[in-house]
Amino acid sequence: RKEVEQDPGPFNVPEGATVAFNCTYSNSASQSFFWYRQDCRKEPKLLMSVYSSGNEDGRFTAQLNRASQYISLLIRDSKLSDSATYLCVVTTNAGKSTFGDGTTLTVKP
Amino acid sequence: DVKVTQSSRYLVKRTGEKVFLECVQDMDHENMFWYRQDPGLGLRLIYFSYDVKMKEKGDIPEGYSVSREKKERFSLILESASTNQTSMYLCASSPVRGGQYNEQFFGPGTRLTVL
Repeated sequence: RKEVEQDPGPFNVPEGATVAFNCTYSNSASQSFFWYRQDCRKEPKLLMSVYSSGNEDGRFTAQLNRASQYISLLIRDSKLSDSATYLCVVTTNAGKSTFGDGTTLTVKP
Repeated sequence: DVKVTQSSRYLVKRTGEKVFLECVQDMDHENMFWYRQDPGLGLRLIYFSYDVKMKEKGDIPEGYSVSREKKERFSLILESASTNQTSMYLCASSPVRGGQYNEQFFGPGTRLTVL
């Protein structure tokens, strides 16, 4: 079993749709959690950190459930520019990061 | 803005050659990382370093070594390149604040082809 597992995707949604991605992790020593976005042939870039209390940044909401070892990302009112691969990242208290394989989102007009 | 630069965007080498991939960050970050990214396998950690001259193995260190002589520079070395090391190599750095590990900033990547 992989340390970090994401929904396999791909997700194909119309503009304006709400879409949710899930991610589970197996290492209970995990300390920090992030969602990254990666565009085709580009490097990953931080989308948002994920906090225990949940956090929101505009149309994006991230949630963390430590008991279930589960992270989610919700995108509301999808835009064409949201099309990308979304990577879930889990970092242990020793500083080692593990990336999920990513979920590809395509937003269509 | 944080800037992470990598020495080459594209590199072609022959089997058996020694290959050096260089990474430099300009934000005085403590941690630096080397990953490779392959279709269907995602990003996999090769090595990371949390201080000068310190290194830790990641998930796939075999066939690789690293060097961190200065805080801003982290080098990945392929002692004898093989065709299965053809991949996209990504370097990243991250700060440590209040004992917490923070987000990573990535370089643009080096696409290495080993013939």
